[in-house]
Formats: sequence, C-alpha cells, structure tokens
Amino acid sequence: DSGVTQTPKHLITATGQRVTLRCSPRSGDLSVYWYQQSLDQGLQFLIQYYNGEERAKGNILERFSAQQFPDLHSELNLSSLELGDSALYFCASSVAGQSEQYFGPGTRLTVT
Amino acid sequence: AQKVTQAQTEISVVEKEDVTLDCVYETRDTTYYLFWYKQPPSGELVFLIRRNSFDEQNEISGRYSWNFQKSTSSFNFTITASQVVDSAVYFCALSDLNRDDKIIFGKGTRLHILP
Repeated sequence: DSGVTQTPKHLITATGQRVTLRCSPRSGDLSVYWYQQSLDQGLQFLIQYYNGEERAKGNILERFSAQQFPDLHSELNLSSLELGDSALYFCASSVAGQSEQYFGPGTRLTVT
Repeated sequence: AQKVTQAQTEISVVEKEDVTLDCVYETRDTTYYLFWYKQPPSGELVFLIRRNSFDEQNEISGRYSWNFQKSTSSFNFTITASQVVDSAVYFCALSDLNRDDKIIFGKGTRLHILP
C-alpha cells in the first residue's frame, strides 16, 4: 500500500458527460501528479500540482482540468467525455519536487 | 526530447529461468533519474528502483538486478530464477532533474512466467 488513495476505483459513464476523480496524497506529501494509462498512448503524464499550485503540464486535453485543495487532496475533472478517454487514471504523490513518486491504485474510467 | 524505449513488447520464459528486460533512454540532460515500475494484473504501479544518473553502480535486490550503462544509455533489468508471481508488465521510466518532475514512461514489457 503506497498510502495514496484514489476514488472511485471504477467509473462507467456515457459520452458527453463530466466526471471527477479524486486523489488523496500520502501524509506530508505536497506534490500530486496525474497520469493517464490508455491502450494506445501508454502511460502519460498529465499534470502536476505542488502545494496548491500548478507546477508542470503534460499532454492534458483542454477538456480536462485539475486542482489541488488546501488540504492537499487533488481532483481531476474530465468533461465532454469521449470514447477515447477510457483509461486508467493514476495519481501519484511525492514529498516535494524531484523526489520519489508513490502511485495510487488508479481509477478505471470507461466511457460508453 | 526525452524518450524511453522498451523494444521487447512481450516475453515468455519458463519458471526458474533468468530474464532480462531491456531499456534504452534518450535525454539531452546530464542529470536525471531512471526508474523501473511493475504493474501486476491487479493494475497498481509498484515502484522497484530509482537510479540517479550520477550513480552507475549496478544494483542487486534479491532476485532483481539492474545494469545502468551511461555509455549506451541503457538501464536493463534482470530477474534471476523467475517465478510465476513475476508475471506483470514492467515499465522503465525517466525523469529530468533539472526541468520538472514528470516521469516519462516506456511502453512497457509484458512478462509471462510459465509454470
């Protein structure tokens, strides 16, 4: 158990809908990262937050957004969902930048 | 640009055989981290090792060993005396120490250990 929690574990929704994925980092970790794992794109970095502020951005679509709250948990919002958004979404956390990232169990999103 | 290549898409070996998973990386940076992660059928990502680009010493942890060669930009992973529980997808990854903290993953190697 990495200490990073993600909810929900599974999510099934329809195209065009909006969903929110939640991540609670390990106690004491200030950085939260989001990754997407899909069959065609593999594991890709989406976005990083550090102590509430956006730190780095990867291949994140404009339909996706994230935030980190004062209690350091993070949410990834996915809107106008398409079939191709079906993937496993991982959250990871680290104490600070450039330190080891611990991954949560992931949220499996299925868009039908 | 940063890139991680795992040329072996899928490998099958019989239990107790040794197996090496190859990883070749590209980066223009002089300081970086290299990682290996394991993803068992249950789906979670399990951290195996992180190696700093300044440290080229090979590492052994039980049946696992890693060979880091900067000259060939490779960070290969060997499992000795493989077991069925080693069956998983293994990802090699790279993170740049000077830029941001994102991890660039390879496509993964699916390893089947046959009983």
